[in-house]
Amino acid sequence: DAKTTQPPSMDCAEGRAANLPCNHSTISGNEYVYWYRQIHSQGPQYIIHGLKNNETNEMASLIITEDRKSSTLILPHATLRDTAVYYCILNSGGSNYKLTFGKGTLLTVNP
Amino acid sequence: NAGVTQTPKFQVLKTGQSMTLQCAQDMNHNSMYWYRQDPGMGLRLIYYSASEGTTDKGEVPNGYNVSRLNKREFSLRLESAAPSQTSVYFCASNWQGTDTQYFGPGTRLTVL
Repeated sequence: DAKTTQPPSMDCAEGRAANLPCNHSTISGNEYVYWYRQIHSQGPQYIIHGLKNNETNEMASLIITEDRKSSTLILPHATLRDTAVYYCILNSGGSNYKLTFGKGTLLTVNP
Repeated sequence: NAGVTQTPKFQVLKTGQSMTLQCAQDMNHNSMYWYRQDPGMGLRLIYYSASEGTTDKGEVPNGYNVSRLNKREFSLRLESAAPSQTSVYFCASNWQGTDTQYFGPGTRLTVL
């Protein structure tokens, strides 16, 4: 699976939108973009995934650029409970379900 | 519906001791995984089981063995613990053919 690049840390004010970027310039055509997060001391939690169209669910929105070389995870109204490490992961699915976690982005939501 | 459960939550071992970490899921998932997470690092895959009866090595399998006891349970064994195995261990599961994995709460292991 191709690698991703994320900033090591970001800050966001409570109630504002948090926009977390991810670069994946070598993504291949069959790779999905997955986002997980890990709140301190807990197991990772799935957030959202997409292939090329923008996606939205109850937790977040995922914006993927047209060339698919980068994406942005948007938490529309960040709360203190959204403070976590956010991981952007590429996976092609099929018989290879193994997720490769990088160091992610530590998002700190400030009151 | 408990999801993915892991036991124990905490464990301290001496070098050379053995132990088994237990994982169970009640979501009828086919695939199960063991990861380890060292301080300040992302998760690394130790072993996985794509379906009942099969197991395969991940990125860091040395020093570990696994058993897929049945569809629900996937255990990780340390035969002779070493300080380098001090870590937090996470178990995960998913439906075969999907990439959304569900994680347990983790086991914090310290090897002295």
